[in-house]
Amino acid sequence: QVQLQESGPGLVKPSETLSLTCTVSGGSLSSYYWGWIRQPPGKELEWIGYAYYRGSTNYNPSLKSRVTISVDTSKNQFSLNLSSVTAADTAVYYCARGKLRYSTGGSRSNWFDPWGQGTLVTVSS
Amino acid sequence: QSVLTQPPSASGTPGQRVTISCSGSSSNIGSSDVNWYQQFPGSAPKLLIFTNDQRPSGVPDRFSGSKSGTSASLAISGLQSEDEADYYCAAWDDSLNGFYVFGTGTKVTVL
Repeated sequence: QVQLQESGPGLVKPSETLSLTCTVSGGSLSSYYWGWIRQPPGKELEWIGYAYYRGSTNYNPSLKSRVTISVDTSKNQFSLNLSSVTAADTAVYYCARGKLRYSTGGSRSNWFDPWGQGTLVTVSS
Repeated sequence: QSVLTQPPSASGTPGQRVTISCSGSSSNIGSSDVNWYQQFPGSAPKLLIFTNDQRPSGVPDRFSGSKSGTSASLAISGLQSEDEADYYCAAWDDSLNGFYVFGTGTKVTVL
């Protein structure tokens, strides 16, 4: 059974870079997308982006200029870097395994399962 | 701000059927399949429905999903107290080079 675990600093100063790592156990990174999703306290979920195990990426347009997601298959880990953070980036950050499938009619289906337990990152001086 | 709109809340008594709507547009629900996630307070979201109406193994058949045009729905039949949670729809949006979008979320309360 695949399990994901986020790790990284819980406190980041404004203007600095938020860096998180997700360690995958019980399975390999091959053939899947690996994503990051965040949730500000009391608010809705926001997709940050994902990376395919071979390295291609796709990011939320609203965060694209500040986000980098990378995959390290040798360590069974993938990571998130979010630069120039502000208080608005304070949130619980989740990592998750993504799946992509196209129906016979060409309709795209993306979903995330399973998810890590999440880690709270606070941006404050 | 999400482009998928859900009602903020829904409620029902045990045993009732509750339906949650998710309204989108031609660039997301209209052209992509919909997923639903269940989230309990303080916990990570869990996949409940994928590809409009498919249940992962372990999800009770009380939960069902459907999609029509640019809208989707999640139905909970035979509502139980343990179903009290937040529910989010999600889909791929083809605009702006493509991105994944979650709905605004619906809090289900069991009266």
